[in-house]
Amino acid sequence: QVQLQESGPGLVKPSETLSLTCTVSGDSISGYYWTWIRQPPGKGLEWIGYIHYSGSTNYNPSLKSRLTMSVDTSRNQVSLNLTSVTAADTAVYYCARRKTGYGATFDYWGQGTLVTVSS
Amino acid sequence: DIVMTQSPLSLPVTPGEPASISCRSSQNLLHTNAYKYLDWYLQRPGQAPQLLIYLSYIRASGVPDRFSGSGSGTDFTLKISRVEAEDVGVYYCMQTLQTPYTFGQGTKLDI
Repeated sequence: QVQLQESGPGLVKPSETLSLTCTVSGDSISGYYWTWIRQPPGKGLEWIGYIHYSGSTNYNPSLKSRLTMSVDTSRNQVSLNLTSVTAADTAVYYCARRKTGYGATFDYWGQGTLVTVSS
Repeated sequence: DIVMTQSPLSLPVTPGEPASISCRSSQNLLHTNAYKYLDWYLQRPGQAPQLLIYLSYIRASGVPDRFSGSGSGTDFTLKISRVEAEDVGVYYCMQTLQTPYTFGQGTKLDI
């Protein structure tokens, strides 16, 4: 059973960097794309970007200038860094695995972690 | 960016009755491989989204057969043949034909 668990600070100050880690268990991260999606409180879903286990990335242009994703295959983890955060970055952040095959369907999701940007 | 528009945004239903949600994309989601790159997710209250339907019509593993998906290149429909209490939540369509991947606004189904 594949499981994803997001972790990181629940509170980040404005202008600082939001750093999250997604730890994968039950399968290797190798061979897959891993994506981050966020959901502001009471609102809809926004795709942040994805990273391949090899390290190649594709970011949402709306966040690209502030965003970095990375993988650590030895720890079976993927990470997200978002710099210069504002209150608009307050959201539940999910990591998800992209299913193999056609399309970019996300078949496994973490439970999500709420990050609040506030001083 | 491809804009995804869902309707209705709120859908009150009666258990045992059918339900239908529409999703329209601003661009054709038909890939050259003949699949339409449209997925449906259900987000139950307090939970992460879960996959229901992918490539417009394929039910994900474990999804009851009362759920079905269909559509043309730009107009898609998720149907529930007989709504059950556990189907309550917000339904999202999502296109993955091109990045940035984009979601519909969500349709809240309640009983």
